[in-house]
Amino acid sequence: DADVTQTPRNRITKTGKRIMLECSQTKGHDRMYWYRQDPGLGLRLIYYSFDVKDINKGEISDGYSVSRQAQAKFSLSLESAIPNQTALYFCATSTSSVKREQFFGPGTRLTVL
Amino acid sequence: GQNIDQPTEMTATEGAIVQINCTYQTSGFNGLFWYQQHAGEAPTFLSYNVLDGLEEKGRFSSFLSRSKGYSYLLLKELQMKDSASYLCAVKNDYKLSFGAGTTVTVRA
Repeated sequence: DADVTQTPRNRITKTGKRIMLECSQTKGHDRMYWYRQDPGLGLRLIYYSFDVKDINKGEISDGYSVSRQAQAKFSLSLESAIPNQTALYFCATSTSSVKREQFFGPGTRLTVL
Repeated sequence: GQNIDQPTEMTATEGAIVQINCTYQTSGFNGLFWYQQHAGEAPTFLSYNVLDGLEEKGRFSSFLSRSKGYSYLLLKELQMKDSASYLCAVKNDYKLSFGAGTTVTVRA
């Protein structure tokens, strides 16, 4: 089955460390997104990309950067992790049709000590 | 800006009906999505409304009124496996803005 995968699934790190979360998809979708989810706050968009040469900031991009290495790969980096970046991170993909839903990966649970 | 409101929690009995309301005030509108999310898992798509009215899909139905900035998700014949969070999301300019989610607990 075409799928969205994320690695790692769980990560515990220390304040100040650099962390990279990776997302791969076999759906052939052009568009990819990174969200974080915190209890009581819902999903918030960090960055999104509509194709390999397109990168856009979402509502909470400070402290994060992304790289779209290929159509199928979109990685999220925390250059210097801090405790309030502890959250559940989801990657998602979609086609270019405005009517179509986004498909989410299984998530990465990140804890920054 | 985007403002999407839905109740935090709801409890219902197995076999009953529950209605989850969502109100929104957003700077644009290209459609409203409902997702289901079990604890610790990825959100999965349930329904999409772009025109006013009711969309029915088996036990789940979703309603939209664009003039009122209002939607609801109706879950019928509740089953224990329906215990989950339900996320309302508004699409604007190809981006989704999510509400905080409604946790539904189904009791036997």
